[in-house]
Amino acid sequence: DQQVKQNSPSLSVQEGRISILNCDYTNSMFDYFLWYKKYPAEGPTFLISISSIKDKNEDGRFTVFLNKSAKHLSLHIVPSQPGDSAVYFCASLGGGSNYKLTFGKGTLLTVNP
Amino acid sequence: GAVVSQHPSRVICKSGTSVKIECRSLDFQATTMFWYRQFPKQSLMLMATSNEGSKATYEQGVEKDKFLINHASLTLSTLTVTSAHPEDSSFYICSASYLEGQPQHFGDGTRLSIL
Repeated sequence: DQQVKQNSPSLSVQEGRISILNCDYTNSMFDYFLWYKKYPAEGPTFLISISSIKDKNEDGRFTVFLNKSAKHLSLHIVPSQPGDSAVYFCASLGGGSNYKLTFGKGTLLTVNP
Repeated sequence: GAVVSQHPSRVICKSGTSVKIECRSLDFQATTMFWYRQFPKQSLMLMATSNEGSKATYEQGVEKDKFLINHASLTLSTLTVTSAHPEDSSFYICSASYLEGQPQHFGDGTRLSIL
C-alpha cells in the first residue's frame, strides 16, 4: 500500500518553462514533506521541504506547495534548466519522534534545451 | 560535498556469498543511520534503522538474520547481506541526519548483483 504516490513516472518540459511535479499522500499523520533529487549512479540529494503547518515554501527557483485537505503537494521549478533533469522523489515524515522517510516512486524530469 | 559516504558502489558476486556494505558520515556524528532498498521503478523502501550502540530496528518483512546491521561507531554503520541469492540483487542505500528532524543525507548507494 503506497502511502506516498507520484503518479507521473516522467515529465518533459522545455528549458525556461515551469516544471510541476506532483505528489499525493494518504497518511494524515505525516507532518513534514521533502523533495529529493537523484541523478543516475548517485544518492538522492535534499532539495526542499515543507512542514504541515505551512502551505508554501520557496527557495530560489524551487517552490513547494502543500494542500493538506487534499493530501497533495507539488514542487514547482521555474525557470527549468537542463541541469534540473533528474529523478525527483517526494518523501514524507511521520508524526512523533521517529524520522523514517516514506518515499514515492519518483518522477523523471527531462528539461529539453 | 558528500556528507555520507557509501562503499562499495557496485558488487557482483556468486550466490551464497556474504556481502558487506559500509556507510560513513563524513563530518558529523550520526547516532542513527538508515538503510534503504530500491527495486527497479520502485520507491526507496526503508529496511532498517541503525542505532549506535544498540540493535537495529527492522521494518516488517525484513529478515534480521539475512540483513545484519552493525552500527560500530557514531560515524559507521555496516549492512551485511548474508548468503546472498539472486533475489537479493538490488540497489541498497544508506542515509543519516545531523539531528532528528533534519533532512537525511544519502550515500551514493550500492548496486548489488548476485549471479
